[in-house]
Amino acid sequence: EVQLVESGGGLVQPGGSLRLSCAASGFTISDHYMDWVRQAPGKGLEWVGRTRNKANSYTIEYAASVKGRFTISRADSKNSLYLQMNSLKTEDTAVYYCVRGERWLQPPRLDYWGQGTLVTVSS
Amino acid sequence: EIVLTQSPGTLSLSPGERATLSCRASQSVSSSYLAWYQQKPGQAPRLLIYGASTRATGIPDRFSGSGSGTDFTLTISRLEPEDFAVYYCQQYGSSPLFTFGPGTKVDIK
Repeated sequence: EVQLVESGGGLVQPGGSLRLSCAASGFTISDHYMDWVRQAPGKGLEWVGRTRNKANSYTIEYAASVKGRFTISRADSKNSLYLQMNSLKTEDTAVYYCVRGERWLQPPRLDYWGQGTLVTVSS
Repeated sequence: EIVLTQSPGTLSLSPGERATLSCRASQSVSSSYLAWYQQKPGQAPRLLIYGASTRATGIPDRFSGSGSGTDFTLTISRLEPEDFAVYYCQQYGSSPLFTFGPGTKVDIK
């Protein structure tokens, strides 16, 4: 069974930092692209960023709203994904989902989602 | 950036009825790059349809997707009680890689 479990969310002051982790099981992340998607309270879904797999040189892309502040990394040996968030703003308050993307050459999709971890940026 | 618009914002129907949800893109989208998700309160989204018309693993056949170009449709042939939820369409492109529509809420009439 595919599972994604996020951790590391919490309350942080504006300008602060937080690191989210995502532990994957039931599949090998090295075979997949992996994404972070967020959802502000009562709002819709916003894609945050993606890391491709080794076959695609681990390239990473970010949404414009987080580029330069957030960093995605992955540890295939630990079957884990990370999101380092710096210079946090109040508008970064959201539930952050770890999401499994497609395998290389498959149609793009976000096919398994974790339960999410809440990040609250407030003074 | 391609913008997705979903209509209606809310759809009020009874169990057993047919639901037709629309997703319109501001520019043409490859059918391979259009997906639909379902989200229930307090839960993570769930992939229903990808490639505009391919059901994801474990999705019942009462869910179907269609469309091309700028107009796409998600149809639920007969609503079950567990189908009342918010539905998002999503497209894959470049910068940003994924964009989502604002969602259609299907609630019980």
